[in-house]
Amino acid sequence: DVKVTQSSRYLVKRTGEKVFLECVQDMDHENMFWYRQDPGLGLRLIYFSYDVKMKEKGDIPEGYSVSREKKERFSLILESASTNQTSMYLCASSYPEGSYGYTFGSGTRLTVV
Amino acid sequence: LAKTTQPISMDSYEGQEVNITCSHNNIATNDYITWYQQFPSQGPRFIIQGYKTKVTNEVASLFIPADRKSSTLSLPRVSLSDTAVYYCLVVAAGTYKYIFGTGTRLKVLA
Repeated sequence: DVKVTQSSRYLVKRTGEKVFLECVQDMDHENMFWYRQDPGLGLRLIYFSYDVKMKEKGDIPEGYSVSREKKERFSLILESASTNQTSMYLCASSYPEGSYGYTFGSGTRLTVV
Repeated sequence: LAKTTQPISMDSYEGQEVNITCSHNNIATNDYITWYQQFPSQGPRFIIQGYKTKVTNEVASLFIPADRKSSTLSLPRVSLSDTAVYYCLVVAAGTYKYIFGTGTRLKVLA
C-alpha cells in the first residue's frame, strides 16, 4: 500500500524555536505539498515542490520555508515558531499532473506555546 | 481555478442514500471534478473523479450534468463510519495544484 509518512503525529514547541516537519513518500511521486488545516478555514497550501530542489510558494508561505534534497522527502521549516502557527500540518504527494489524485499523510498536530 | 460552493453540513441516518451537491459555475472546458473524504485526525482521501455524465466506483457515484456547472456525490446506504468531511475540487487538466474549500461536514446518525 502506498504511503506518505509524517515523522511526528503530535509536536509541542516553544515560541521562537526552529521547527522541522518531515514527510517521506514511497510512491516515487514527483510532486509534494504542505498544507495547514485550521477550523473554519479548510486546507491552505503553504508550499509545493514539483522536483528535487524545486519549490514554489503556495497561498500562505510567510513564516515557512521548505527543503527537498531527495525525491522522497519534503521538509517544512518554521524558522521561528509563533503561536499563530499552531495548526494541523498535512503533507501530500502526487504524480506530475495530479490526475490520479493526491495521497496525504496522517498529519502533524503542532502546538506552539 | 474554478471556485466551488457546497453545503457546510448535512445530517443523515444510517442506511439512507446521501447526495452532496457542489456548484462550480466557472468550470473550464478542460477541468475535471474530484472529491475527497476526510476523517477526524487524518489526511483527506481520494474518493472519485470525473469529467462528465456518471462515474461509479466501489465507494460512491459522481453525477455531472451536461453543462458541468455542478456535480453530485452520491453515497449509497451510508453507515456511521461515513461521518466525515467531503471536499469537492475542480482541477485544471495538466496542473497539480489543488485548492481545497471548507468542505461539507456529513454526520450519519444511528
